[in-house]
Order: sequence, then C-alpha cells, then structure tokens
Amino acid sequence: AQSVAQPEDQVNVAEGNPLTVKCTYSVSGNPYLFWYVQYPNRGLQFLLKYITGDNLVKGSYGFEAEFNKSQTSFHLKKPSALVSDSALYFCAVRSMDTGRRALTFGSGTRLQVQP
Amino acid sequence: DAGVIQSPRHEVTEMGQEVTLRCKPISGHNSLFWYRQTMMRGLELLIYFNNNVPIDDSGMPEDRFSAKMPNASFSTLKIQPSEPRDSAVYFCASSQSRYGYTFGSGTRLTVV
Repeated sequence: AQSVAQPEDQVNVAEGNPLTVKCTYSVSGNPYLFWYVQYPNRGLQFLLKYITGDNLVKGSYGFEAEFNKSQTSFHLKKPSALVSDSALYFCAVRSMDTGRRALTFGSGTRLQVQP
Repeated sequence: DAGVIQSPRHEVTEMGQEVTLRCKPISGHNSLFWYRQTMMRGLELLIYFNNNVPIDDSGMPEDRFSAKMPNASFSTLKIQPSEPRDSAVYFCASSQSRYGYTFGSGTRLTVV
C-alpha cells in the first residue's frame, strides 16, 4: 500500500518570506513523487516531480522540493512567497517498482500568504 | 492540445436520478483515472484504466457506481441511483507515461 501524509492543514506565511509545505510518504520500493496546486474551483495543476537523480527538484513558479530518502520526505519550498501562491497544495506518490500507475494523494495543505 | 476535457462542469440532480460524467483524455495517453474530491475524504481514486481496460476499481464506493472506457478517447462515470452523499467534485486525469499526469477541470456534482 502507498500513502502520503501532509501534517499541516494550513500554512500561513508573510509575502516575501520563505515557505515550506511538508510531505512524507510510504510506498513499496522507490517512489515517484509529485506536487500539484489547486486554485479555487479549478483542477489540479502540476508543479514538479521527482523521478530519479538530483534530490533537489525545481518546478514551476519558483517552487522546488527536496527528496530525502532516509526521512521519506518530499517537502515543497519557495524562497520568497507571493500572495498569488495562496492555494491548496497536494503531494502525491506512486511506486517506481510496481505496476500500479495510479497516484495516491495527501490530504492537502492550504497555503495562505499574507500581504 | 486541449488537455483533459470533462463534461458537464456542474451537475445538479435529484436523489435517485442517474448521473453520467464524461471525460475525453489527451490524445495518445494510454491511462485514465477517475478521482473524487470531498472535504472529508480529500482526493480518492475511484478507478483507473490502462489501454481502455479497467485495472483497479477498488475505490468505487458501491455498485451504484460504474465506469466505462469504450475507446481510447472517451470514458464515462455513471452513478445510478444518485444519493446526496455522492455530492463531490469528480476529476478525470490521463497519463502517457509514469512521469506525467494531466487533470481535467472537474465536474461538480450536487445531489439534492
């Protein structure tokens, strides 16, 4: 079985400050890891993914995420938050080593960036 | 590339009625996924298809739910009869490889 934990329902940060949205995972074998963002009344938009290689992954809109195998974590980060980053963020995982192709999502973290 | 297209965007129906949600995946994508999003349960996988064949339907809540993929360019999710607890946003996603998953804009279903 595979699972994702996003321990924070909401993260509040001031504009211009760095932000971190936490994610830990459990999966059989090696993971493929993803971050998606959802704006109100919209679908999920892809931000970035970890497949293999460099543990620091850079994605859209200045976001990046660091894969840590020993801690089974894939935290999302941005050096300087914007008000427009306020949205719902989902971490997702699937196994690299099984045939199962579906992603399992975390419960989501609402990011609120204050002006 | 028009992306994954879902219809309708909104559906309001009365309890007991049949509801059909539709999805057109991205051309060339060979996997299709149906997810349901609710406040209480988050994003849940309902079913997924690979090359038009259902692979895992363990997330389908009960026999009232059924899904089909008659060809590579079309899938339906049907609820019959619908109940108020089925109210949710239903997303369709498609994928060509293990690396990329594209989601549609979703169908917001309200059962009254």
